Amino acid sequence: DADVTQTPRNRITKTGKRIMLECSQTKGHDRMYWYRQDPGLGLRLIYYSFDVKDINKGEISDGYSVSRQAQAKFSLSLESAIPNQTALYFCATGTPAYNEQFFGPGTRLTVL
Amino acid sequence: AQSVTQPDIHITVSEGASLELRCNYSYGATPYLFWYVQSPGQGLQLLLKYFSGDTLVQGIKGFEAEFKRSQSSFNLRKPSVHWSDAAEYFCAVGAETSYDKVIFGPGTSLSVIP
Repeated sequence: DADVTQTPRNRITKTGKRIMLECSQTKGHDRMYWYRQDPGLGLRLIYYSFDVKDINKGEISDGYSVSRQAQAKFSLSLESAIPNQTALYFCATGTPAYNEQFFGPGTRLTVL
Repeated sequence: AQSVTQPDIHITVSEGASLELRCNYSYGATPYLFWYVQSPGQGLQLLLKYFSGDTLVQGIKGFEAEFKRSQSSFNLRKPSVHWSDAAEYFCAVGAETSYDKVIFGPGTSLSVIP
């Protein structure tokens, strides 16, 4: 079984709709991250969490929100999706030692 | 602030040829350095990492990378490329700051000619 899972893997939605992307992990890591990937831009950090009570904004948090429901679950929401949020979204967990990160398979989101 | 550049957007090599992917970073102290690979439709997988010690590090799938502090570089190498190495490669730099963030480069896409 995969250590970091993301659902859904693909999603097509319309402008203005609310969308939730879910991430679960079995690695036992306290640290979890949400990134988006756009061609030519690499990965950009949206939000990160060091434990259930700790949520931090990344470099591109506008238009997004997160919820850390448990150590193993970290959800990303788009309250009102817009077309420029079309991207590949990755969830990752991290170790406190050197911040090594482990990635989920990604969710491809298309906003029409 | 940390930053990472990967000068080559796309590289094409023949199967069996050697490979070097370039990575330059900016960071004021000793960085933690990573190379990740992303195969089509997959998440990112860690190839190798450098934290301290020997500046030549070995990774999975026959890859190695060399940390050169004087050049602020961490180039990835493989002596003989296989067709299955075709993928996107990301260099990343992290540091033990209060934010504990990892900064990713824009990626280099590798194509392999049979």
